[in-house]
Amino acid sequence: ETGVTQSPTHLIKTRGQQVTLRCSSQSGHNTVSWYQQALGQGPQFIFQYYREEENGRGNFPPRFSGLQFPNYSSELNVNALELDDSALYLCASTLAGTSTDTQYFGPGTRLTVL
Amino acid sequence: GDSVTQMEGPVTLSEEAFLTINCTYTATGYPSLFWYVQYPGEGLQLLLKATKADDKGSNKGFEATYRKETTSFHLEKGSVQVSDSAVYFCALTELKAAGNKLTFGGGTRVLVKP
Repeated sequence: ETGVTQSPTHLIKTRGQQVTLRCSSQSGHNTVSWYQQALGQGPQFIFQYYREEENGRGNFPPRFSGLQFPNYSSELNVNALELDDSALYLCASTLAGTSTDTQYFGPGTRLTVL
Repeated sequence: GDSVTQMEGPVTLSEEAFLTINCTYTATGYPSLFWYVQYPGEGLQLLLKATKADDKGSNKGFEATYRKETTSFHLEKGSVQVSDSAVYFCALTELKAAGNKLTFGGGTRVLVKP
């Protein structure tokens, strides 16, 4: 148990729609990262938020955006969905006060774009 | 940029066999190294980590040693069980001003047969 939760578990959308995925960390996890894991591949870094500001971004277009809230929850928003956006989306948080290089993952949200 | 290369699977073993999964990395600085495990239908769980050269991470019978001279972090277990069937990911992170993203290998699927 990492204490990191994500919702929803599964989601089906159609091409062109918008989606919001949610992540909830334990109190004190002040850094959250989002990853995209396509089927059969390793996770790819989307972006990271630290104290409610973006703090690093991977090779993803601007239609991928995020928010982090003071209560340590966060959102990943994807606009203009494409078929290739179908993947498992993982959030990971870092516990403040410990080594900042260990990230704890939630169970993921499986997004299917039709 | 940073990269991680791990042996392709699937790796099929009999129960009580010895498991080795090779992992090599490329990094500009002094990364921390990780092994994560993903069971079917689940998110990523941290298996073990090492933060500096010659460190040995260990957990649940798995071990990996940080070898800076060969830029490797091979995962080993002396006697696998059916419950070890999963996908294993080698990963690295470097603490940078722009956040500490994880860079993953492509994953190695392990299947242990009774």
